[in-house]
Amino acid sequence: QKEVEQDPGPLSVPEGAIVSLNCTYSNSAFQYFMWYRQYSRKGPELLMYTYSSGNKEDGRFTAQVDKSSKYISLFIRDSQPSDSATYLCARLGEGAQKLVFGQGTRLTINP
Amino acid sequence: DAGVTQSPTHLIKTRGQQVTLRCSPISGHKSVSWYQQVLGQGPQFIFQYYEKEERGRGNFPDRFSARQFPNYSSELNVNALLLGDSALYLCASSRDRSGNTIYFGEGSWLTVV
Repeated sequence: QKEVEQDPGPLSVPEGAIVSLNCTYSNSAFQYFMWYRQYSRKGPELLMYTYSSGNKEDGRFTAQVDKSSKYISLFIRDSQPSDSATYLCARLGEGAQKLVFGQGTRLTINP
Repeated sequence: DAGVTQSPTHLIKTRGQQVTLRCSPISGHKSVSWYQQVLGQGPQFIFQYYEKEERGRGNFPDRFSARQFPNYSSELNVNALLLGDSALYLCASSRDRSGNTIYFGEGSWLTVV
């Protein structure tokens, strides 16, 4: 079992829709979780990070961690064509600053 | 402020050759990490360096090595290149060793032929 699992998609939704992106993780000891956005042939861009359980909101983006079910979610409201990218979830382990990523979900927002 | 900068952006090497990739972290950041991202996959951790010392190593062969300089910049070296080393090599920096805000550069695209 991979440490972080993510549906690779692709996921295609119309502009203005609410997008839900999800990951599961295997080790309940993980505390920090990140979401990165990666445009084609570019480096990952940090969108949000959350600690432990709960929600964190930043503009149109909401990150959610459910430790009881080991589930990480990213919600995008009022989705825009510029949100079309690959979204990567990651967990940060203890000790070394090692991010473990999911496979990434490729998202397309259609005008 | 400039973000994480990497060079070169693209390069092509022949099997068996050696390559050196360079990274400058965000000003004030002391921790540098390297990741390999093959097409269609998430990045995989290779190394972390903090205060010029290796603090973590991923599951990569000894052909991969790195170092960090007094100005916190870093180099990743890969010897005896294989076709399977073709990937995007990403450098990430953060302010300290356990920082949870980790920023990536645009990467170096390596093609091995």
